[in-house]
Amino acid sequence: AQKVTQAQTEISVVEKEDVTLDCVYETRDTTYYLFWYKQPPSGELVFLIRRNSFDEQNEISGRYSWNFQKSTSSFNFTITASQVVDSAVYFCALVYNQGGKLIFGQGTELSVKP
Amino acid sequence: GAVVSQHPSWVICKSGTSVKIECRSLDFQATTMFWYRQFPKQSLMLMATSNEGSKATYEQGVEKDKFLINHASLTLSTLTVTSAHPEDSSFYICSVGGGINEKLFFGSGTQLSVL
Repeated sequence: AQKVTQAQTEISVVEKEDVTLDCVYETRDTTYYLFWYKQPPSGELVFLIRRNSFDEQNEISGRYSWNFQKSTSSFNFTITASQVVDSAVYFCALVYNQGGKLIFGQGTELSVKP
Repeated sequence: GAVVSQHPSWVICKSGTSVKIECRSLDFQATTMFWYRQFPKQSLMLMATSNEGSKATYEQGVEKDKFLINHASLTLSTLTVTSAHPEDSSFYICSVGGGINEKLFFGSGTQLSVL
């Protein structure tokens, strides 16, 4: 079965703190993609990153970084020096061999307080 | 610019009416589109796969007669919520692409409120 688990339902931090959002996935397929999306109160989904199953390199984009570890089936997302504008719901998602269908995690609501 | 256009952004309707939501692929032809639903404070759940020129494929538990999907062209899929009821109030969002080696794009979503 394909499944994505985001165990943290809500996280609250103070501005400038670092925060890590956890994502654990399950799939039997060897070829798959993992995504992170940000959903602000407006509802739209903002694409953050896509990583394929064959690329385990960690990635950094500004204050954002991602740690992909196949050994633990995890794809964690870290925001460094968080800002109030980072407040949103963040979703981790999985696309597997059948292509196109996303399996979303439950989402983590991040609240960054000034 | 937007790759996927979804319309309307929000709609309020009376119970018993039908509502049509459009999803247009602006930059490329899409033989497949996907429809998701998101209830408040919950995750996005795949409802169905819209297939150009053929019947949609519905996920388990989604009523195909309730949620009619038409994908008549390579750039347009529509989702019609028939005889809407308050429990259908939700955020509906479509996506295009996402196959292996394809980019994936989401529409901006439609907030449906049924009174």
